Amino acid sequence: EAGVAQSPRYKIIEKRQSVAFWCNPISGHATLYWYQQILGQGPKLLIQFQNNGVVDDSQLPKDRFSAERLKGVDSTLKIQPAKLEDSAVYLCASSLGSGGDAYSNQPQHFGDGTRLSIL
Amino acid sequence: DQQVKQNSPSLSVQEGRISILNCDYTNSMFDYFLWYKKYPAEGPTFLISISSIKDKNEDGRFTVFLNKSAKHLSLHIVPSQPGDSAVYFCAASATGNQFYFGTGTSLTVIP
Repeated sequence: EAGVAQSPRYKIIEKRQSVAFWCNPISGHATLYWYQQILGQGPKLLIQFQNNGVVDDSQLPKDRFSAERLKGVDSTLKIQPAKLEDSAVYLCASSLGSGGDAYSNQPQHFGDGTRLSIL
Repeated sequence: DQQVKQNSPSLSVQEGRISILNCDYTNSMFDYFLWYKKYPAEGPTFLISISSIKDKNEDGRFTVFLNKSAKHLSLHIVPSQPGDSAVYFCAASATGNQFYFGTGTSLTVIP
């Protein structure tokens, strides 16, 4: 099966500019996640979608970050305006399901990420 | 608040020997645990998982052990191979809730 696709792989922008990342999950996966991984740390959840609804966005800096998942498939994550501390790898992951259904305990499958550098 | 901790940033092991990677957690509600392997410039790849109803799960050369009373899990790789050299992350969740990841352990298997 095809894996999680992300683009672009790398992005360099100046602070206060905007940037967008795209993710296409594994076909049939209802749940989609965006993570931020800062160098030397583990991935930190930014937002979780179940189909096209938001399940958890408690750690998303909503003053500058936004995300959407159109038609319950592809998703985009946007940062506007970017700050120096946003330099990180942004990972998208998908899984069959979550939240108490039959697929609750399912591993997440990750894309290769977008490495964002803020100058 | 780091709910999942990997206290060893790095580990070196001779090829053919056992690699043991450790992970501690603080949240007693966690009931599902995973290990991921990550090569440079790639996303984490799922390796093995364990539910809290078990204390051991085995898949080929990889075995995960869970000690709920100690809030500790470990990943054993036997025998270790040079291709196992990577960063290993443990992750934990309470069913239906978000996953929390450790900071990773970099494993080097020396030929």
